[in-house]
Amino acid sequence: NAGVMQNPRHLVRRRGQEARLRCSPMKGHSHVYWYRQLPEEGLKFMVYLQKENIIDESGMPKERFSAEFPKEGPSILRIQQVVRGDSAAYFCASSPYRLYGYTFGSGTRLTVV
Amino acid sequence: EDKVVQSPLSLVVHEGDTVTLNCSYEVTNFRSLLWYKQEKKAPTFLFMLTSSGIEKKSGRLSSILDKKELFSILNITATQTGDSAIYLCAVEKGGGQGGSEKLVFGKGTKLTVNP
Repeated sequence: NAGVMQNPRHLVRRRGQEARLRCSPMKGHSHVYWYRQLPEEGLKFMVYLQKENIIDESGMPKERFSAEFPKEGPSILRIQQVVRGDSAAYFCASSPYRLYGYTFGSGTRLTVV
Repeated sequence: EDKVVQSPLSLVVHEGDTVTLNCSYEVTNFRSLLWYKQEKKAPTFLFMLTSSGIEKKSGRLSSILDKKELFSILNITATQTGDSAIYLCAVEKGGGQGGSEKLVFGKGTKLTVNP
């Protein structure tokens, strides 16, 4: 049973480009959470999704950021027109129920140049 | 505003030493407190604490929660170089007007164990 799979592991984007981060939850997990870790900071909640639904996006910046978790396929965190301040590690976690058995992926490290 | 504060932010010890990591919190709608170990990849789960005064143990690691004073400690005895990592404390916050259940993390304690 593979863990939470995130790809790519590292992503370099120029300012103004789009970044797409993917998260495949563990088998049987229908709840996905995205967290962002800025340098020297703790992980900060961004968004909580279930299949085809955004449950809580209170941690997402209002502009340029969006997330989805379609019926088929991975969850996607999309950042449009990236800026240097978006450089961070983005972690995805999944669980079979709300906040039960929370398992983190290895993260995507986004660098904006 | 919800806060989780860890101390110290970094710590350097020698193999065999015992360390105590601290975590204090002010979080509305507290449900549990969790400790994670983060090396260069995914945070891995260590402990979940929900009740005051009950120590959780796993090998050389142990943790306890004080819900009256709003803090937790993580102890590591007889440290080894493989214990070098960032240790994260997180509080599980229940859902309500502020949104769904979520984890509120501290900044972490970076532990370095030298041979």
